[in-house]
Amino acid sequence: EVQLLESGGGLVQPGGSLRLSCVVSGFTFSNYAMSWVRQAPGKGLEWVSGISGSGGSTYYADSVKGRFSISRDNSKKTLYLLMNSLRAEDTAVYYCAKEDYVELYGLWYYWGRGTLVTVSS
Amino acid sequence: EIVLTQSPGTLSLSPGERATLSCRASQSVSSTYLAWYQQKPGQAPRLLIFGASSRATGTPDRFSGSGSWTDFTLTISRLEPEDFAVYYCQQYGSSPSITFGQGTRLEIK
Repeated sequence: EVQLLESGGGLVQPGGSLRLSCVVSGFTFSNYAMSWVRQAPGKGLEWVSGISGSGGSTYYADSVKGRFSISRDNSKKTLYLLMNSLRAEDTAVYYCAKEDYVELYGLWYYWGRGTLVTVSS
Repeated sequence: EIVLTQSPGTLSLSPGERATLSCRASQSVSSTYLAWYQQKPGQAPRLLIFGASSRATGTPDRFSGSGSWTDFTLTISRLEPEDFAVYYCQQYGSSPSITFGQGTRLEIK
């Protein structure tokens, strides 16, 4: 059974940093691209960042480019999102999502339950 | 960037009725790369339709997708109580083109 479990969310001050993790099981992690998708409270979905199965290719939404960094450790079956220079508008539930392909495609059958990031002073 | 606009914002219907949800793109979108997701409160989104009209594994056949170019539609033929949720259309295929519509809330009348 495919499972994705996010962690690392919490309350952080504006300008601060946070690292999210997503531990997966039930599939060969290195064979699939992964993404982070977020949802601000009461709002819609926004793709944030994606990474290829090897980790060699990374992609970012313009809203986070230069502030967020996606990475993965295939030996630990873990996806990461390092978030720097956080702003109030980054407040959201962050989901990790599994692609059906080794490269980024943006189509997700499997999602985690999400972790809430709140940016506030 | 292609903007997806969904209508209506909220749709109020009764179980057993037919629901028609619209997604309009600001520029032409290849039908190969148009998906629909369902999201219920407190849950992650669930993929329903991909390639504009192909049902994802586990999607009941009362759900159907259609459309091309800039106009796409999700139709639910006969609403079941579990279908009341928020629905998002999405463009996918490559990094700059992964965008969502703002969502349509389907509520019980």
